[in-house]
Amino acid sequence: GAVVSQHPSRVICKSGTSVKIECRSLDFQATTMFWYRQFPKQSLMLMATSNEGSKATYEQGVEKDKFLINHASLTLSTLTVTSAHPEDSSFYICSAPDHLGTYFGPGTRLTVL
Amino acid sequence: DAKTTQPPSMDCAEGRAANLPCNHSTISGNEYVYWYRQIHSQGPQYIIHGLKNNETNEMASLIITEDRKSSTLILPHATLRDTAVYYCIVLFPTGKLIFGQGTTLQVKP
Repeated sequence: GAVVSQHPSRVICKSGTSVKIECRSLDFQATTMFWYRQFPKQSLMLMATSNEGSKATYEQGVEKDKFLINHASLTLSTLTVTSAHPEDSSFYICSAPDHLGTYFGPGTRLTVL
Repeated sequence: DAKTTQPPSMDCAEGRAANLPCNHSTISGNEYVYWYRQIHSQGPQYIIHGLKNNETNEMASLIITEDRKSSTLILPHATLRDTAVYYCIVLFPTGKLIFGQGTTLQVKP
């Protein structure tokens, strides 16, 4: 199946700093990508839909000014966690669909100290 | 998208078939049934999907009842590496997946 990559796989940052996470579709183009967050022992929670060339669509309760999403090309979406705090520590996962299905990246483990 | 109900956990003996049920009584005619699994600290992995007919691939089989209100994922010969959380998701295929709590499958030696 298609491959989705994420970078970095792990990041540790200080409280108050911003962190950028990249999601790439490696062998297909994706006009839409999705960002999820997962806390320990919980299911994945959809945060937002990233749309190439237009604004992202955020799920209810997700702060768009805190979680900035940019989908500048058909193979790259970025999620920037601005002014990160310890409660933002989580596992962030992206996905991208093609005509056959939806494929997930390996996830990014964010730890905010 | 239709809601799904899965048992929170199941055990299976290694080498045996694992049968994971899913109820989706409010499924509509154009919604597909998808199954994904997540092994600890990894991104979800696609397993199989179907609309009406039973489906089989190299990983698993999907049995959908005639009224489409429930389905069963079958792992024919479970191994220890199949220990994971299995998610049943019903949706119109836009790519947007909403995850429930899933079933934690523990394969035991």
